[in-house]
Amino acid sequence: EPEVTQTPSHQVTQMGQEVILRCVPISNHLYFYWYRQILGQKVEFLVSFYNNEISEKSEIFDDQFSVERPDGSNFTLKIRSTKLEDSAMYFCASNPLAGGYNTQYFGPGTRLTVL
Amino acid sequence: GEDVEQSLFLSVREGDSSVINCTYTDSSSTYLYWYKQEPGAGLQLLTYIFSNMDMKQDQRLTVLLNKKDKHLSLRIADTQTGDSAIYFCAESVGYNKLIFGAGTRLAVHP
Repeated sequence: EPEVTQTPSHQVTQMGQEVILRCVPISNHLYFYWYRQILGQKVEFLVSFYNNEISEKSEIFDDQFSVERPDGSNFTLKIRSTKLEDSAMYFCASNPLAGGYNTQYFGPGTRLTVL
Repeated sequence: GEDVEQSLFLSVREGDSSVINCTYTDSSSTYLYWYKQEPGAGLQLLTYIFSNMDMKQDQRLTVLLNKKDKHLSLRIADTQTGDSAIYFCAESVGYNKLIFGAGTRLAVHP
């Protein structure tokens, strides 16, 4: 069964450094998302991406964040200058938008630790 | 605004039924979801229900939706130790995002 994959599983970085989190959505899915979950807190929406552009973004997704679909398979989240409070689990998701169904399938997550 | 509320903890005996409850605020939500998260793992889509349905059954899982009260529940029949996890209720806001509850930690004991 196809799955969303994410790399790396764990990323440790120094405050102020740039990080790129990578995701491979399920093939033929059309909508892509990033969410984050700070330890012990709710899963929060960051951004949705459709037809090669951002569809919606949350207040968390400020100028330090960007997303890109550089080729037909990868979907990346870049944080330009990481802060301590960016430490969280980051989940990528994709949605087939097929048959009128609206279902998001999540990857296993990347744990980002900012020191 | 959009909000989803869940109780934080549920403890059940193996073999009993578990019922996890959720309330949501956005009456325009078209789909409501239950996701399962095991320790250190991602979010696994368990089941979902379309807003014009009252009930959906899928093997041991039964989802009940009371749209008037904006109340959603997940019943797990014959709960097993492998069901121990955090269960997240979520509502969709169009195709753009899901709003998650804080999650209910289900503990199954012998």
